[in-house]
Order: sequence, then structure tokens, then C-alpha cells
Amino acid sequence: DAGITQSPRHKVTETGTPVTLRCHQTENHRYMYWYRQDPGHGLRLIHYSYGVKDTDKGEVSDGYSVSRSKTEDFLLTLESATSSQTSVYFCAISLRDRGTDTQYFGPGTRLTVL
Amino acid sequence: AQSVTQPDIHITVSEGASLELRCNYSYGATPYLFWYVQSPGQGLQLLLKYFSGDTLVQGIKGFEAEFKRSQSSFNLRKPSVHWSDAAEYFCAVAPGNNNDMRFGAGTRLTVKP
Repeated sequence: DAGITQSPRHKVTETGTPVTLRCHQTENHRYMYWYRQDPGHGLRLIHYSYGVKDTDKGEVSDGYSVSRSKTEDFLLTLESATSSQTSVYFCAISLRDRGTDTQYFGPGTRLTVL
Repeated sequence: AQSVTQPDIHITVSEGASLELRCNYSYGATPYLFWYVQSPGQGLQLLLKYFSGDTLVQGIKGFEAEFKRSQSSFNLRKPSVHWSDAAEYFCAVAPGNNNDMRFGAGTRLTVKP
């Protein structure tokens, strides 16, 4: 357990509405990540952050934005949700563990866009 | 960019039997390699990782994996499967800084009594 919580854990919303998912960590980790998990695709990186106000795009960033105004919170926003964004979203942190940077994951948020 | 292939979408084994889950990767240099396990409705838990040194790595829950550079593989093994091992298993590859980690599509393991 890397001290990661995600909220909400489940959300159902309608197409076209904005949605914000929150990732919160308690251990001052510098790197944080947002992934989506879809059947047949494993996990794919959406965005990541390497510090307060420092973020970069991942493999599937279109339609998503992120913000990190303080170390402990990393927010993922869907400005106008679409059905293709129905997925399970995982947050992760990276920490140095026995010589390697290793990612540890939160419990996930299941998002359904109707 | 690197990529990961897990050829088996679903595997069924009997409890007590041995297990091998396959993982092949594509990457220009020696990557960092990981296996994660995900139980239904849960997040991902790290089983083991490889970054250098001994090519046979031991992990939690009695799992091990062997890195074979010549075959670009990192297969996961367990000598005797328990019913609690039923889950989905993901192989992942990353460059040193982890900021472009790529996951395989996963292998779902079913354990027969």
C-alpha cells in the first residue's frame, strides 16, 4: 500500500458533462500517473506529473487534462465526457525501490459514461 | 516505443499444477520489466521486477520470473498454483525513468479445484 486513495470509486455520468477524478497520496511522492484500463489493452498512460504544476502527456491523452497544484493531489479532468471514456482509471506513484523506480497503484475509479 | 505482448488471454490450470505465463517485449535496450497481479475489483499489486543482475528473480506469493535477453522474454512461473492465485496478470516494460511504462493486455488465470 503506497498511501494512494482515489475518489470517487464509482461514477456514472452522461455524455457531454465534465468529470474530475482525484488521486491523493500521503507520502510526498514526486511522480504521479493516470492510466486507463480497458479489456484487451491492459493499462495505458494518460498523463503524468513530475512535480507541482509539472505535467506531461502519455500515450492516450486526447480528451483529458490534468492538474497538480499541490504535491499530494493529482486531478484528472474529462472536459466533456464521451462514451469511449468509459473505463477504469488508475492512479499510480513512482518510488525508488531497491535501485529501480517502481510504480504502485491506487484502487481505481470505475467511470461509466452513458 | 517499447511494447509488450502477452500471447495468452486466458489460461486455466488445476490447483497444485505448475504455471507459466508468457511475456515478450520489444525495446531497444535492456528495459526494466515488471509483473503485476490484479484480483477482481482491485488495483494492481507488484509481484516482481527485473532491472539488472541475476536473470531469475523471485517475487511475492511464490512467483518467479526469468529474463531471457535472446528471446526478449520475461515469463512468470509458479511451481504449484493455489486457488487464491486466480486473477489477471500483467507484464510491463519501462525505460529507466518509468515515464513511458507499457503494459501487456493481460492474462486471466482460472484455477480449477
